[in-house]
This record gives sequence, C-alpha cells and structure tokens, in this order.
Amino acid sequence: QITLKESGPTLVKPTQTLTLTCTFSGFSLSTSGVGVGWIRQPPGKALEWLALIYWDDGKLYSPSLKSRLSITKDTSKNQVVLTMTNIDPVDTATYYCAHRKSTSLSFAYWGQGTLVTVSS
Amino acid sequence: QSALTQPASVSGSPGQSITISCTGTGSDVGGYNFVSWYQQHPGKAPNLMIYDVSSRPSGVSNRFSGSKSGNTASLTISGLQAEDEADYYCSSYTASNSYVFGTGTKVTVL
Repeated sequence: QITLKESGPTLVKPTQTLTLTCTFSGFSLSTSGVGVGWIRQPPGKALEWLALIYWDDGKLYSPSLKSRLSITKDTSKNQVVLTMTNIDPVDTATYYCAHRKSTSLSFAYWGQGTLVTVSS
Repeated sequence: QSALTQPASVSGSPGQSITISCTGTGSDVGGYNFVSWYQQHPGKAPNLMIYDVSSRPSGVSNRFSGSKSGNTASLTISGLQAEDEADYYCSSYTASNSYVFGTGTKVTVL
C-alpha cells in the first residue's frame, strides 16, 4: 500500500525559505521509472505543479518557479524534500506530494496535503 | 507555461452524461498522449481518474472516460451520480519537460 505524507511549517514569514518533507512508504525511489512530485493549491484556486524528482536523481521544475525551487531525495529515509526560497504571501497554499507511476506520467497516489500560510 | 483551459462549471441531472473539455497547445495536450484527469472533493487530495488520455486506474468506475482531439482533451462522465459532484482537473506533460494543470471545473449534480 502506497502512502505519502507531507510535513513542514504551517506559518512562514515573507522572504524566508520554506522546507517541506514528503515521507512515503509502499514503494522505493530507487525503482526504475518512479518519481515523486510536488503540487500546490492556493485556497479556492487550481492545482499548480511545482517539481518532480526521478529514481535516478533527475529533476524537473516549473519553468516559472525554477529559480526558487530545489528538490532532493533521501532514498534510505524514503523522503523527498522541497525547498522554496524568498517566500511571499502568494505562496500560501496546500502543498501536496504525489507518487508518479513508472509506467505513466500521472500522479496515482497523493499525500493528504499540508497548508502553509505566509504572513508576517 | 499557461494553465490548460477548462470550463469553470458543468452541471447535469442524475443519470445524464456530461463532458469537460481541456484545451492546451501543441506543446502540451496536442503534443503528447500524457493527459490525466483528477477528481477532487472539498478538503480532500486529488484522485487520479484517467491517465494517458483514456486509461482508467483500477477501481475507477467505467462511467469515466477520456479522449483527445488535437489540442483539446475531454473527460466524459456517464450516468451522472451525486457522488460525482466535485472539482475536476486535467493535466498534461509539456515540451518544457514539465507538467501543467488545468484551471479546474466544478461539476454540479442537479
């Protein structure tokens, strides 16, 4: 059974760096083709894809946020970490991590999400 | 990368069929057969309903079907049920080696 869970601060001040951790079970990020992605959703708004890391440490980033994002993995801990620099109130959102199947470019399993509020 | 365009809302009566469109460009929807659809109930995480344009994950009702023509993908829900009332998002892989989601569609069962 594949599960993912996001963790991190619930309140962040503007200009700070946000660090979110996705802890997963039920799969290995060393398995060929597997990936873990991050997606966010501002309150009442649409989903926005942020980043993805592959089993081979390949990384993809949203073109519009690339300069502010970094994604890393710790295969031994079954964790993926997303950092976002220079946080702004518009970054207030629920942040989800999700498992990307090895046989498809879709996100089949999602975490419950974690709400991050950016405010001074 | 601009969001894929979806109608803000679609409604139908129980038992009817509805179709949600998802319009992109040749650099995303039109260029790849990697369109997915997600259902999201209020306060919940999205749930994968369709992947690779028209494939259904195990456990998803066959009332849900997907298709694509040119730069527009579509999700059809047949035999509409009360439990189908939710927000729906399309997503596509893009030529920029990234993903893009749609603007979202609220489905209301009348």
